[in-house]
Amino acid sequence: DIQMTQSPSTLSASVRDRVTITCRASQRISRWLAWYQQKPGKAPKVLIYDASSLESGVPSRFSGSGSETEFTLTINSLQPDDFATYYCQQYNSYPWTFGQGTKVETK
Amino acid sequence: QVQLVESGGGVVQPGRSLRLSCVASEFTFSSYGMHWVRQAPGKGLEWVAVIWYDETNKHYADSVKGRFTISRDDSKNTLYLQMDSLRAEDTAVYHCAREKLRGSSISCLYHWGQGTLVTVSS
Repeated sequence: DIQMTQSPSTLSASVRDRVTITCRASQRISRWLAWYQQKPGKAPKVLIYDASSLESGVPSRFSGSGSETEFTLTINSLQPDDFATYYCQQYNSYPWTFGQGTKVETK
Repeated sequence: QVQLVESGGGVVQPGRSLRLSCVASEFTFSSYGMHWVRQAPGKGLEWVAVIWYDETNKHYADSVKGRFTISRDDSKNTLYLQMDSLRAEDTAVYHCAREKLRGSSISCLYHWGQGTLVTVSS
């Protein structure tokens, strides 16, 4: 199975900060990686798919990069609505796997 | 607007069974791969199972293989998860989710239901 390792687990930041979350895959997964945002009590929402494609309706301050084993989610100019938990997920091969999550909290 | 509505959760004793349902609307259900993803209280997301749009393939997480069965009834626009031999560690909110692209194209999860809570406890 492919292991997905996110870092950091928790990130303290302020509004207007630039935030970077890293996801590492234990095997090469090409570009088959998505980033999801989840708020308490809500279903996850896809932000980025295919490693770097911005989902329709998602603010352009979100961006994704990387391929194979190293991936990054960047939030430029963090907004109040962005405080949430973020997950990476590989869909290169079954079983699909998620990273353990990164909680972005207020500094 | 695409809707996925799960039901069937509840409190069940260890070793017993439960069947979850997910009713889909506002899209051509038979054209999409469907998944179950769960989240234990206070924990992260865990992928559980997938059934392809044409039912030719089903895959499971190692943690549920041999105990859970995913199925679909396209005439009822409904996805199912039969859960047998339940364990305390199966306690979670179970979400159904639809793939972004139709058919066999590789794609992420795009639409999610709000989930149904399963609690396994004596």
